[in-house]
Amino acid sequence: DIQMTQSPASLSASLGETVTIECRASEDIYSNLAWYQQKPGNSPQLLIYDANSLADGVPSRFSGSGSGTQYSLKINSLQSEDVASYFCQQYNNYPYTFGAGTKLELK
Amino acid sequence: QVQLKESGPGLVQPSQTLSLTCTVSGFSLTSYSVHWVRQHSGKSLEWMGRMWSDGDTSYNSAFTSRLSISRDTSKSQVFLKMNSLQTEDTGTYYCARNYKGYFDFWGPGTMVTVSS
Repeated sequence: DIQMTQSPASLSASLGETVTIECRASEDIYSNLAWYQQKPGNSPQLLIYDANSLADGVPSRFSGSGSGTQYSLKINSLQSEDVASYFCQQYNNYPYTFGAGTKLELK
Repeated sequence: QVQLKESGPGLVQPSQTLSLTCTVSGFSLTSYSVHWVRQHSGKSLEWMGRMWSDGDTSYNSAFTSRLSISRDTSKSQVFLKMNSLQTEDTGTYYCARNYKGYFDFWGPGTMVTVSS
């Protein structure tokens, strides 16, 4: 199975700040990577697919980048509604696997 | 609009069988695959298995032979059956529509507690 190592596990940032979350795959996943946002009590919501494509309706302050085994999610100009947990997911191979998550809080 | 909704018992006794239903609307099960994903207490997500648009299934080997996924296209429903439940199977179970590998729509999830 492909292991997805996500960092940091938690993150505290101020409104307006830029934050970056990283995900490292145990082998090349050829940009077959998605990012999800999950707010407490809700199901995950798709943010980014194919490593850098923005899902419908997602604000442009979210962006994804990376290739090979290293990927990142960047949130520009942090808003209060961005407080959530974030997960990466690889879909290059079955079984699909997820990162352990990053919990983003406001400072 | 696309919707998925899980249903099933909230409480299952250890060693018993879990049966969940995912009812979808806004798309056809013969055009998209539907997957099951579970989450332990807000922790990470675990892919369990999938029902492909052609009726084929595949499963995470972590569940060995205790997991089964089926469907009824006439009712737009996908079913999950997992036997020999243990306390470690407690969590929230989601069904999600998959498009080219990523999950573009998720159900709200159903919480399952395994306890006597």
